Amino acid sequence: ETGVTQSPTHLIKTRGQQVTLRCSSQSGHNTVSWYQQALGQGPQFIFQYYREEENGRGNFPPRFSGLQFPNYSSELNVNALELDDSALYLCASSPGFEQFFGPGTRLTVL
Amino acid sequence: GQNIDQPTEMTATEGAIVQINCTYQTSGFNGLFWYQQHAGEAPTFLSYNVLDGLEEKGRFSSFLSRSKGYSYLLLKELQMKDSASYLCAPLGANNLFFGTGTRLTVIP
Repeated sequence: ETGVTQSPTHLIKTRGQQVTLRCSSQSGHNTVSWYQQALGQGPQFIFQYYREEENGRGNFPPRFSGLQFPNYSSELNVNALELDDSALYLCASSPGFEQFFGPGTRLTVL
Repeated sequence: GQNIDQPTEMTATEGAIVQINCTYQTSGFNGLFWYQQHAGEAPTFLSYNVLDGLEEKGRFSSFLSRSKGYSYLLLKELQMKDSASYLCAPLGANNLFFGTGTRLTVIP
């Protein structure tokens, strides 16, 4: 148990739709990172938030956006879904260097 | 750019010892993590090395050589439940960099 929760567990969307994924971190974890993990691949960094500001971004288009809230929750929003967005989305919260992963949200785009 | 290289698959026998090697090149380095990931689940933390040398934690040990861009994870007294993917993840300025991981199969 890492104390990091994500919702929903599974989600099915169709191409072109928009989706919001949620993450709740441990109290005191000011940093949250989001990763995308396609089947058979390692997680790929999407972006990181620190104290509600974006603090780094990987090689993902602007239709991937995020928010972090003062209550240690955060959101990942994806617009104009594409088939290749089907993946496990992981959030990881951190008080320092170590990152604690949530259970993930499995997104399927049809 | 970033590059993490691990063997794709390994097989070992229950009770044996296995070493999973990782070489990496990253821009910025703040240590290296090893994670275990069972199929369909989130990665779980195994070890963190920031200085050169060996870190031991029960049946698991991890080694780091920063000058060589090299790390390994050593698993002793293998159990069937150790069958999983093992992810080597250097930490850059903001984020972890992952390769595709090593899928370990433990056989009786």
